[in-house]
Amino acid sequence: QKEVEQNSGPLSVPEGAIASLNCTYSDRGSQSFFWYRQYSGKSPELIMFIYSNGDKEDGRFTAQLNKASQYVSLLIRDSQPSDSATYLCAVGQAGTALIFGKGTTLSVSS
Amino acid sequence: DAGITQSPRHKVTETGTPVTLRCHQTENHRYMYWYRQDPGHGLRLIHYSYGVKDTDKGEVSDGYSVSRSKTEDFLLTLESATSSQTSVYFCATGQGIGTDTQYFGPGTRLTVL
Repeated sequence: QKEVEQNSGPLSVPEGAIASLNCTYSDRGSQSFFWYRQYSGKSPELIMFIYSNGDKEDGRFTAQLNKASQYVSLLIRDSQPSDSATYLCAVGQAGTALIFGKGTTLSVSS
Repeated sequence: DAGITQSPRHKVTETGTPVTLRCHQTENHRYMYWYRQDPGHGLRLIHYSYGVKDTDKGEVSDGYSVSRSKTEDFLLTLESATSSQTSVYFCATGQGIGTDTQYFGPGTRLTVL
């Protein structure tokens, strides 16, 4: 069974620090990797996606993918209290539905 | 946003009654999905559709049925609601499956007493 694993947290970081969120997946055929943010009581919203090994940066967010290690991470630089949320990792391949991890809760203290 | 609405947003019902949740999209996305989200389980796929009248089962499809008679609408029916189906239900849409972004609706909170 295909699995996507995330540390449930909570991950607590002070304001201004770097938050590092990690995700591992079991299917070596996975092709696409997504990070969603979900505030309490709200629906998931896309932060970014990555398809190739290496880093992809978008503002304060950097996604890192290492297919050999079956590992994807999300770095949030200069963390803000507004970044406090649950972060969902999703993994997919063509023709099959995305598989979501259970999410990591991030708490940023001011 | 993908222009996805869900109705109702909140519903309380009794065990044994049928319930239908509606998802409506304005983006003309081919794929539509129904998920449920529960503490400790994350998002779990119930059913998805890849076109009008074309649907397939997901991980937790027992007790649920779906229908898609128009591109923009995807209905989820609980044939005889049980307390274990108390959950938050999310609809999502996307242009492709597996490699394309999914966009989520606002969710429906269903309570089965």
